[in-house]
Amino acid sequence: DVKVTQSSRYLVKRTGEKVFLECVQDMDHENMFWYRQDPGLGLRLIYFSYDVKMKEKGDIPEGYSVSREKKERFSLILESASTNQTSMYLCASLTLPRFEQYFGPGTRLTVT
Amino acid sequence: GIQVEQSPPDLILQEGANSTLRCNFSDSVNNLQWFHQNPWGQLINLFYIPSGTKQNGRLSATTVATERYSLLYISSSQTTDSGVYFCAVELKGGATNKLIFGTGTLLAVQP
Repeated sequence: DVKVTQSSRYLVKRTGEKVFLECVQDMDHENMFWYRQDPGLGLRLIYFSYDVKMKEKGDIPEGYSVSREKKERFSLILESASTNQTSMYLCASLTLPRFEQYFGPGTRLTVT
Repeated sequence: GIQVEQSPPDLILQEGANSTLRCNFSDSVNNLQWFHQNPWGQLINLFYIPSGTKQNGRLSATTVATERYSLLYISSSQTTDSGVYFCAVELKGGATNKLIFGTGTLLAVQP
Protein backbone atom coordinates (compact mmCIF):
# COMPACT_ATOMS: atom_id res chain seq x y z
CA ASP A 1 0.00 0.00 0.00
CA VAL A 2 1.09 3.53 -0.74
CA LYS A 3 1.87 5.45 2.41
CA VAL A 4 2.00 9.23 2.47
CA THR A 5 2.69 10.88 5.81
CA GLN A 6 2.67 14.51 6.88
CA SER A 7 4.67 15.91 9.74
CA SER A 8 1.79 17.35 11.77
CA ARG A 9 -1.98 16.95 11.90
CA TYR A 10 -2.53 20.31 13.59
CA LEU A 11 -0.28 23.33 13.71
CA VAL A 12 -0.73 26.81 15.16
CA LYS A 13 1.67 29.57 14.12
CA ARG A 14 1.89 33.31 14.52
CA THR A 15 1.76 35.85 11.71
CA GLY A 16 5.22 36.38 10.24
CA GLU A 17 6.65 33.03 11.32
CA LYS A 18 8.37 30.76 8.86
CA VAL A 19 6.47 27.49 8.59
CA PHE A 20 7.64 24.14 7.24
CA LEU A 21 5.18 21.42 6.29
CA GLU A 22 6.77 18.12 5.44
CA CYS A 23 5.47 15.23 3.40
CA VAL A 24 7.08 11.82 3.02
CA GLN A 25 6.10 8.94 0.75
CA ASP A 26 7.49 5.45 0.91
CA MET A 27 6.91 4.23 -2.64
CA ASP A 28 9.75 5.87 -4.56
CA HIS A 29 7.32 8.04 -6.52
CA GLU A 30 8.68 10.79 -8.66
CA ASN A 31 5.58 12.99 -8.62
CA MET A 32 4.42 14.79 -5.48
CA PHE A 33 1.90 17.58 -4.91
CA TRP A 34 0.82 20.15 -2.33
CA TYR A 35 -2.80 21.33 -2.15
CA ARG A 36 -4.76 23.54 0.16
CA GLN A 37 -8.41 22.98 0.91
CA ASP A 38 -10.79 25.74 1.94
CA PRO A 39 -14.56 25.70 2.44
CA GLY A 40 -16.37 26.59 -0.76
CA LEU A 41 -13.17 26.59 -2.81
CA GLY A 42 -12.36 22.90 -2.87
CA LEU A 43 -8.80 21.67 -3.35
CA ARG A 44 -6.37 23.97 -5.09
CA LEU A 45 -2.90 23.02 -6.27
CA ILE A 46 -0.06 25.06 -4.78
CA TYR A 47 3.06 23.36 -6.17
CA PHE A 48 4.09 20.04 -7.62
CA SER A 49 7.34 18.26 -8.31
CA TYR A 50 8.29 15.72 -10.97
CA ASP A 51 11.62 14.76 -9.53
CA VAL A 52 14.30 15.70 -7.05
CA LYS A 53 15.08 19.42 -7.21
CA MET A 54 12.35 19.97 -9.80
CA LYS A 55 9.28 22.02 -9.01
CA GLU A 56 6.41 23.59 -10.88
CA LYS A 57 3.93 26.22 -9.77
CA GLY A 58 0.34 25.20 -9.41
CA ASP A 59 -2.69 27.46 -9.39
CA ILE A 60 -1.96 29.41 -6.19
CA PRO A 61 1.80 29.50 -5.52
CA GLU A 62 1.94 33.04 -4.12
CA GLY A 63 3.26 33.14 -0.57
CA TYR A 64 4.63 29.59 -0.76
CA SER A 65 7.81 27.85 -1.80
CA VAL A 66 8.78 24.18 -1.91
CA SER A 67 11.84 22.01 -1.54
CA ARG A 68 12.52 18.54 -2.93
CA GLU A 69 16.04 17.52 -1.92
CA LYS A 70 15.25 13.81 -1.65
CA LYS A 71 12.84 11.78 -3.70
CA GLU A 72 10.72 10.70 -0.76
CA ARG A 73 10.32 14.13 0.83
CA PHE A 74 8.48 17.21 -0.44
CA SER A 75 8.37 20.25 1.83
CA LEU A 76 6.04 23.23 1.66
CA ILE A 77 7.40 26.47 3.10
CA LEU A 78 5.50 29.53 4.17
CA GLU A 79 8.23 32.18 4.31
CA SER A 80 6.17 34.61 6.38
CA ALA A 81 2.87 33.12 7.48
CA SER A 82 -0.25 35.24 7.16
CA THR A 83 -3.76 34.73 8.48
CA ASN A 84 -5.10 34.05 4.97
CA GLN A 85 -2.90 30.97 4.88
CA THR A 86 -4.98 29.35 7.59
CA SER A 87 -6.18 26.23 5.83
CA MET A 88 -6.01 22.46 5.50
CA TYR A 89 -2.86 21.43 3.61
CA LEU A 90 -2.81 18.12 1.78
CA CYS A 91 0.14 16.36 0.23
CA ALA A 92 -0.22 13.74 -2.49
CA SER A 93 1.98 11.26 -4.27
CA LEU A 94 1.38 9.77 -7.70
CA THR A 95 1.52 6.10 -8.65
CA LEU A 96 2.57 5.04 -12.12
CA PRO A 97 1.55 3.76 -14.57
CA ARG A 98 -2.01 4.25 -13.37
CA PHE A 99 -1.54 7.96 -12.57
CA GLU A 100 -3.52 7.73 -9.34
CA GLN A 101 -2.90 10.29 -6.64
CA TYR A 102 -2.73 9.17 -3.02
CA PHE A 103 -3.08 11.67 -0.21
CA GLY A 104 -1.56 12.13 3.20
CA PRO A 105 -3.76 12.73 6.27
CA GLY A 106 -3.53 16.52 5.98
CA THR A 107 -2.21 19.32 8.20
CA ARG A 108 -4.68 21.81 9.59
CA LEU A 109 -2.71 25.04 9.93
CA THR A 110 -3.98 28.00 11.89
CA VAL A 111 -2.13 31.31 11.65
CA THR A 112 -3.02 33.79 14.38
CA GLY B 1 -10.44 26.50 -18.01
CA ILE B 2 -12.13 23.20 -17.47
CA GLN B 3 -15.18 23.12 -15.21
CA VAL B 4 -15.77 20.15 -12.94
CA GLU B 5 -19.25 20.16 -11.44
CA GLN B 6 -20.61 17.73 -8.94
CA SER B 7 -24.18 17.08 -7.95
CA PRO B 8 -25.90 17.07 -5.63
CA PRO B 9 -23.87 19.41 -3.40
CA ASP B 10 -25.17 17.59 -0.33
CA LEU B 11 -27.19 14.51 0.40
CA ILE B 12 -28.75 12.92 3.47
CA LEU B 13 -29.51 9.20 3.40
CA GLN B 14 -30.92 6.65 5.76
CA GLU B 15 -28.66 3.70 6.36
CA GLY B 16 -29.29 1.02 3.75
CA ALA B 17 -30.36 3.42 1.01
CA ASN B 18 -28.70 3.66 -2.40
CA SER B 19 -27.42 6.83 -4.04
CA THR B 20 -25.85 8.13 -7.22
CA LEU B 21 -23.39 11.00 -7.31
CA ARG B 22 -22.60 12.76 -10.54
CA CYS B 23 -19.54 14.53 -11.93
CA ASN B 24 -19.74 16.58 -15.14
CA PHE B 25 -16.66 17.97 -16.82
CA SER B 26 -16.46 20.45 -19.65
CA ASP B 27 -13.47 19.18 -21.63
CA SER B 28 -11.74 15.96 -22.69
CA VAL B 29 -9.76 14.30 -19.92
CA ASN B 30 -6.96 11.77 -19.60
CA ASN B 31 -7.75 10.74 -16.09
CA LEU B 32 -10.65 10.78 -13.68
CA GLN B 33 -10.52 9.77 -10.05
CA TRP B 34 -13.09 9.58 -7.28
CA PHE B 35 -12.05 10.29 -3.70
CA HIS B 36 -13.76 10.04 -0.33
CA GLN B 37 -12.73 12.50 2.35
CA ASN B 38 -13.59 11.14 5.75
CA PRO B 39 -14.64 13.31 8.71
CA TRP B 40 -10.98 13.50 9.83
CA GLY B 41 -9.91 15.05 6.53
CA GLN B 42 -8.16 12.06 5.01
CA LEU B 43 -8.69 11.73 1.25
CA ILE B 44 -9.03 8.13 0.17
CA ASN B 45 -8.64 7.09 -3.43
CA LEU B 46 -11.78 5.18 -4.48
CA PHE B 47 -11.49 4.72 -8.22
CA TYR B 48 -9.21 5.54 -11.08
CA ILE B 49 -11.72 5.50 -13.93
CA PRO B 50 -11.00 7.50 -17.10
CA SER B 51 -13.61 5.38 -18.89
CA GLY B 52 -15.81 2.35 -18.38
CA THR B 53 -17.19 0.81 -15.21
CA LYS B 54 -15.51 -0.49 -12.08
CA GLN B 55 -16.86 -2.02 -8.91
CA ASN B 56 -15.38 -2.32 -5.45
CA GLY B 57 -17.72 -3.85 -2.91
CA ARG B 58 -20.74 -1.61 -2.41
CA LEU B 59 -19.26 1.12 -4.57
CA SER B 60 -19.15 1.28 -8.32
CA ALA B 61 -18.30 3.98 -10.82
CA THR B 62 -18.99 4.60 -14.47
CA THR B 63 -17.35 7.17 -16.71
CA VAL B 64 -18.72 8.02 -20.15
CA ALA B 65 -15.82 10.05 -21.50
CA THR B 66 -17.53 10.91 -24.80
CA GLU B 67 -20.41 12.52 -22.89
CA ARG B 68 -18.14 14.04 -20.24
CA TYR B 69 -19.61 12.67 -17.07
CA SER B 70 -18.96 10.13 -14.38
CA LEU B 71 -21.26 8.52 -11.83
CA LEU B 72 -20.45 7.06 -8.43
CA TYR B 73 -22.97 4.55 -7.06
CA ILE B 74 -23.21 3.75 -3.39
CA SER B 75 -25.41 0.81 -2.51
CA SER B 76 -26.68 -0.21 0.92
CA SER B 77 -25.14 2.90 2.46
CA GLN B 78 -23.54 2.77 5.91
CA THR B 79 -22.77 5.52 8.41
CA THR B 80 -19.08 5.08 7.62
CA ASP B 81 -19.81 6.25 4.06
CA SER B 82 -20.41 9.75 5.41
CA GLY B 83 -18.00 12.45 4.28
CA VAL B 84 -17.28 14.40 1.12
CA TYR B 85 -16.93 12.74 -2.26
CA PHE B 86 -14.74 14.45 -4.83
CA CYS B 87 -14.16 13.74 -8.45
CA ALA B 88 -10.96 15.05 -10.02
CA VAL B 89 -9.87 15.13 -13.64
CA GLU B 90 -6.65 15.50 -15.51
CA LEU B 91 -6.97 17.50 -18.71
CA LYS B 92 -6.12 15.82 -21.98
CA GLY B 93 -3.10 17.69 -23.30
CA GLY B 94 -2.70 19.59 -20.05
CA ALA B 95 0.18 19.62 -17.57
CA THR B 96 0.93 16.00 -16.83
CA ASN B 97 -0.72 14.55 -13.74
CA LYS B 98 -2.26 17.84 -12.62
CA LEU B 99 -5.70 17.10 -11.19
CA ILE B 100 -8.58 19.56 -11.12
CA PHE B 101 -11.07 18.87 -8.36
CA GLY B 102 -14.80 19.37 -8.26
CA THR B 103 -16.33 21.08 -5.23
CA GLY B 104 -17.58 17.80 -3.81
CA THR B 105 -20.78 16.16 -2.59
CA LEU B 106 -21.28 16.14 1.17
CA LEU B 107 -22.94 12.87 2.18
CA ALA B 108 -24.46 12.20 5.58
CA VAL B 109 -25.73 8.70 6.27
CA GLN B 110 -28.02 8.52 9.28
CA PRO B 111 -28.55 5.36 11.33
